[in-house]
Amino acid sequence: DSGVTQTPKHLITATGQRVTLRCSPRSGDLSVYWYQQSLDQGLQFLIQYYNGEERAKGNILERFSAQQFPDLHSELNLSSLELGDSALYFCASSVDTSGPSYEQYFGPGTRLTVT
Amino acid sequence: AQKITQTQPGMFVQEKEAVTLDCTYDTSDPSYGLFWYKQPSSGEMIFLIYQGSYDQQNATEGRYSLNFQKARKSANLVISASQLGDSAMYFCAMRENLYTGANSKLTFGKGITLSVRP
Repeated sequence: DSGVTQTPKHLITATGQRVTLRCSPRSGDLSVYWYQQSLDQGLQFLIQYYNGEERAKGNILERFSAQQFPDLHSELNLSSLELGDSALYFCASSVDTSGPSYEQYFGPGTRLTVT
Repeated sequence: AQKITQTQPGMFVQEKEAVTLDCTYDTSDPSYGLFWYKQPSSGEMIFLIYQGSYDQQNATEGRYSLNFQKARKSANLVISASQLGDSAMYFCAMRENLYTGANSKLTFGKGITLSVRP
């Protein structure tokens, strides 16, 4: 158990809908990362938050947004869902963003299926 | 250009034997870190081992070791004494800007499937 929790574990929804994925980082970790794993794109970085502030953006679609709250949990909002958004969405956390060996601990993921 | 390259097709190894999973990387940043993660069929990502670009010695963690060849830009994972539970997908990943605190995302390779035969 990495200490990172993600809910829900599975989500099935229809095209055009909006969903929210939730992540609680490990205790003490200030940095949260979101990744998307799909068959065609592999594992891709979406966005990073550090202590409530957006730190970096990757290949995140405009239909997607995220935030990190004062208690450090984070939510990833996906709207106007398309079939191609079906993927495994991971949240990861690390204690800091700098330094040589701050590995990222991954949550169990949320498997999103868009029908 | 791909930053992390894992080109091996599915790998097979006999139980109790050693296996090497290849990873090459591309970066112009002098300070970077290389990570290996294991993803079993259940889906979770499990951190295995880390190697920093300035580390003088190859990293080891139990049965896992990293064969780091900086000049060749390769960071191969060696699993000794393979176990049935090692059957999984293995991902090599890189983090650049190691000391700046800037964008510290992980860039992943496409992964290698390892199957351990009894």
